[in-house]
Amino acid sequence: NAGVTQTPKFRVLKTGQSMTLLCAQDMNHEYMYWYRQDPGMGLRLIHYSVGEGTTAKGEVPDGYNVSRLKKQNFLLGLESAAPSQTSVYFCASSYSWLAGNNEQFFGPGTRLTVL
Amino acid sequence: KQEVTQIPAALSVPEGENLVLNCSFTDSAIYNLQWFRQDPGKGLTSLLLIQSSQREQTSGRLNASLDKSSGRSTLYIAASQPGDSATYLCAVDNNNDMRFGAGTRLTVKP
Repeated sequence: NAGVTQTPKFRVLKTGQSMTLLCAQDMNHEYMYWYRQDPGMGLRLIHYSVGEGTTAKGEVPDGYNVSRLKKQNFLLGLESAAPSQTSVYFCASSYSWLAGNNEQFFGPGTRLTVL
Repeated sequence: KQEVTQIPAALSVPEGENLVLNCSFTDSAIYNLQWFRQDPGKGLTSLLLIQSSQREQTSGRLNASLDKSSGRSTLYIAASQPGDSATYLCAVDNNNDMRFGAGTRLTVKP
């Protein structure tokens, strides 16, 4: 079991460029999440998905789009990167909120710098 | 809007000491609370999850308690070791709206 994996691990973008971050999980989890973590702050939820083909906004969704075409993959897109999106991005997954045990498992993170 | 606060922001203790980390939240209508550990440059590792109907959970030297009515949770670490040095984060789940505290950075000195 690889758990939750993220690609790439590091990326540097110029303002206005676009990119997609890929998250994959092999635990057959229904729920997947994208967070960002900034210095001195806790993680903030960007978007999440409760199942294949569904997505929902989190606390800080502006400037990001997501897609969940396959159950095991959750993609985070930046259409026009801005310096304010410089951050470390974490993906997480959990079995099911309805199961009453929404324990989340995290990937290793992607460090993104926007110049 | 749910706000999660962790105090202290940093803590340094000698090896072997028992310690308590605190987490408070403003909205008591939570579904669960989760404690994580984060090592520098790494992702988060789940330590304990307490469902809203539970009062505490234990795993090895770790014990987490939850008092929903007062909006508080504590993580108790017994007989601390240098390997426990990390940042500890708590997160509350309000109907899939996850809110994290900023964390407590723990250093355990040999």
